[in-house]
Amino acid sequence: NAGVMQNPRHLVRRRGQEARLRCSPVKGHSHVYWYRQLPEEGLKFMVYLQKENIIDESGMPKERFSAEFPKEGPSILRIQQVVRGDSAAYFCASSRRTGGLHNEQFFGPGTRLTVL
Amino acid sequence: AQKITQTQPGMFVQEKEAVTLDCTYDTSDPSYGLFWYKQPSSGEMIFLIYQGSYDQQNATEGRYSLNFQKARKSANLVISASQLGDSAMYFCAMREGPQTGANNLFFGTGTRLTVIP
Repeated sequence: NAGVMQNPRHLVRRRGQEARLRCSPVKGHSHVYWYRQLPEEGLKFMVYLQKENIIDESGMPKERFSAEFPKEGPSILRIQQVVRGDSAAYFCASSRRTGGLHNEQFFGPGTRLTVL
Repeated sequence: AQKITQTQPGMFVQEKEAVTLDCTYDTSDPSYGLFWYKQPSSGEMIFLIYQGSYDQQNATEGRYSLNFQKARKSANLVISASQLGDSAMYFCAMREGPQTGANNLFFGTGTRLTVIP
């Protein structure tokens, strides 16, 4: 009964490289959310996806960041040409459905990205 | 304006004592949900307790209870009989309802709780 899986758990990149973060939701969940946590801060929403669709990307920077959730396979958060300010913990959460205030989001363990 | 405000960056509590972690929220949506999460040093986010805006009673889950004061827009977390394993960051979060249409959670900046033996 696996929960949300994220890999890698830790990722080190040099400035200008690409970072790809993967998230496998809870089995049966078709809704995925990505959040970013800067050091000593709370989580901030980035993007909400359903299978093959981006529903809400209002929290995602317009440049260098993209996300996808293909029909098969994990959700991917991609950061191109990383900069030091991208260093953060990136959390993925999944839910079975949307709507309903008590629609609990189950969080993964996070990927800690360090940009050198 | 911040949707979730946690004014206590750090709190200390003696083992076996109770502690209250403060959370105030701001929304114009009459329908919303409030969540508390625990983040231990290992980094994962652990769901603790949920309170809906229309719930008549305060939520309780084991040693966790939520002191929900709707008129004051506060949703404080009470941890009874603190244990050493309760030492962690605690985040208050909110989801707004259909009037706002947001699907995501808004998080506060967190409170770091340290339980003293």
